[in-house]
Amino acid sequence: DAGVTQSPTHLIKTRGQQVTLRCSPKSGHDTVSWYQQALGQGPQFIFQYYEEEERQRGNFPDRFSGHQFPNYSSELNVNALLLGDSALYLCASSRDSVEQYFGPGTRLTVT
Amino acid sequence: QQQVKQSPQSLIVQKGGISIINCAYENTAFDYFPWYQQFPGKGPALLIAIRPDVSEKKEGRFTISFNKSAKQFSLHIMDSQPGDSATYFCAANRGSTLGRLYFGRGTQLTVWP
Repeated sequence: DAGVTQSPTHLIKTRGQQVTLRCSPKSGHDTVSWYQQALGQGPQFIFQYYEEEERQRGNFPDRFSGHQFPNYSSELNVNALLLGDSALYLCASSRDSVEQYFGPGTRLTVT
Repeated sequence: QQQVKQSPQSLIVQKGGISIINCAYENTAFDYFPWYQQFPGKGPALLIAIRPDVSEKKEGRFTISFNKSAKQFSLHIMDSQPGDSATYFCAANRGSTLGRLYFGRGTQLTVWP
């Protein structure tokens, strides 16, 4: 049984560009949450998707947007990248929104 | 504002010793308290979790102690091993926010052989 998978593993972008990160949840899970983890910090909640709708959002600007597909996979889009967006982006999936299982993350570097 | 405060920031323990990491919270609406273990370059892995209706939960060498009145909870790692060297995060969640996890800043544990 595959766990949460994310792609790509690493990504380097230039300031001002746009990026799309992808996540496939653990089998049987229908809820996907995205977190940003800066170096040396705990993960910070970006938003959560359930039934293809954004159900909850953290304190992130509108440059961060997402989507959930009918197969429960999800995308995180970030527009107008800033140097401060450099971080590990984590996807977590759950079935009942309580126990959340994280993927390996996508390391985004903005230069 | 940090919803969950974690200490210490780093911890060095000798092999076979007990590692103790502490967390405190303010929001009494929190009703689920997981601990995650993260190795360098990996995502956090769910280690153990507790709800406020019990004061202690044990799984193998890992124990969570929970003090509802003090709004504190802690992770104890018995017989610490070099393979336990990782960053540990406490977190909290309240049902009304539908699964949003609030994380502490993390504790970097090093177990010397």
